[in-house]
Amino acid sequence: KQEVTQIPAALSVPEGENLVLNCSFTDSAIYNLQWFRQDPGKGLTSLLLIQSSQREQTSGRLNASLDKSSGRSTLYIAASQPGDSATYLCAVSSWGQGGSEKLVFGKGTKLTVNP
Amino acid sequence: EAQVTQNPRYLITVTGKKLTVTCSQNMNHEYMSWYRQDPGLGLRQIYYSMNVEVTDKGDVPEGYKVSRKEKRNFPLILESPSPNQTSLYFCASSLPSTGIGEQYFGPGTRLTVT
Repeated sequence: KQEVTQIPAALSVPEGENLVLNCSFTDSAIYNLQWFRQDPGKGLTSLLLIQSSQREQTSGRLNASLDKSSGRSTLYIAASQPGDSATYLCAVSSWGQGGSEKLVFGKGTKLTVNP
Repeated sequence: EAQVTQNPRYLITVTGKKLTVTCSQNMNHEYMSWYRQDPGLGLRQIYYSMNVEVTDKGDVPEGYKVSRKEKRNFPLILESPSPNQTSLYFCASSLPSTGIGEQYFGPGTRLTVT
């Protein structure tokens, strides 16, 4: 059974710092990995999607890497801003019952960027 | 505007009273899914659907039903709600390419069962 772990559970940094969020998964047979952002009481917003054949994806100040063989992904945020404060979740697509695909989520890292 | 809509956004009900939470997407997505989010447990998948008339159980399907009669709609049905189904519910959709594609989430439905 696929399990996704995110460390740390919470992170507080001063504005302007570069930071790394970690995600690990137990089964390397994945189709893709996605990083999401969730603001309090709101839905999830997709940030980056990395296909299993890719090593990384970039969007603005965000860079996500994937090492499928070791079961790890990182989300790098450059020059953090207070508006980056949110919970960041990673999810991997994996096989479900009946042979179809499903997403398995980590529990998230709550990021606070202090002005 | 491309979006996933859920209704209602907030619902307080009593044990045993059947309810339906609707989910609709306007992006012609094939894949749709329901999740519940609880403190300390994260997001857990309830049911998902790869296409019309194709549904599969997720990790926590007990006490829930779904149907996918048309591509745009994926309602979540609680036949006899119980207090342990008090949670924040999200619907999501995507257009599968290689594997499940980028997921678009609805705004959430906060359900309280007393």
